[in-house]
Amino acid sequence: QSVLTQPPSASGTPGQRVTISCSGSSSNIGSNTVNWYQQLPGTAPKLLIYSNNQRPSGVPDRFSGSKSGTSASLAITGLQSEDEADYYCAAWDDSLNGPVVFGGGTKLTVL
Amino acid sequence: QITLKESGPTLVKPTQTLTLTCTFSGLSLSTSGVGVGWIRQPPGKALEWLAVIYWNDDKRYSPSLKSRLTITKDTSKNQVVLTMTNMDPVDTATYYCAHIPTTVTRLFYMDVWGKGTTVTVSS
Repeated sequence: QSVLTQPPSASGTPGQRVTISCSGSSSNIGSNTVNWYQQLPGTAPKLLIYSNNQRPSGVPDRFSGSKSGTSASLAITGLQSEDEADYYCAAWDDSLNGPVVFGGGTKLTVL
Repeated sequence: QITLKESGPTLVKPTQTLTLTCTFSGLSLSTSGVGVGWIRQPPGKALEWLAVIYWNDDKRYSPSLKSRLTITKDTSKNQVVLTMTNMDPVDTATYYCAHIPTTVTRLFYMDVWGKGTTVTVSS
C-alpha cells in the first residue's frame, strides 16, 4: 500500500480536461514539494512536473500541477491519445516512511 | 546531456546478493548538489524508492529495505553501485537509476532516468 494515495484509474476523451489527485500527509506533501512522473507503456518514467507546478523543458503546457495542504493535483488539458500512460506522484517524506514516497499510480485511458 | 544506464544480472537465485551498476555521462558526482538514486518497479506494480547517494557521499535508504541495501559511488568511473542482499522472488522488478539535481530534500526530484534493467529472482 502506497503512502501517497492516487485513484487507480482515470479517463477522458480527446480534447477534454482531466485531473488526477494525490493525497498525502503533513510529513510529505504537507511540508515538501510534489513531483509527477509519466510512464508510457513499456518505458521508463519521465519527469512531468517538479516543485509542485514547474514543467521541465519540453513538457507541453497542457500539463500543470498544483498543491494545497496535504494534497496535490495534476491537470491535463486538451487530452491527446499519446497522453495514455501511468502517472505517479512523489514527494520527500520527513517521517520513517521516507525518504521518498510514491503514489500507487493512476492509469489514464484516452477513450 | 545527462544519460544513465543500468546494468547487472537478469537472473539471480533466492538468497543471493544482487549488484547493479548505474553508469552515467553528462554529470559528475564530484559536483556539489548532485545525487543519483535507485527506484524499482515490480511487474504491473507501482514505483518504489530504494536509495540515493549524493556528491558528498551522503546516503539515504528506504527504511523497509535499509538492512539489505548498500549504495556506493566511484567518481572516477562515473558509476553508482547498488547491492541488495538476500534476494527473494518478491524482489523481481525493473530497477531504475536516476539523476537528482538538488540536495535540498524538500525540493527532491529525479529529472533524468535510465531505461531500467529487469531482474528476476528464481531458483
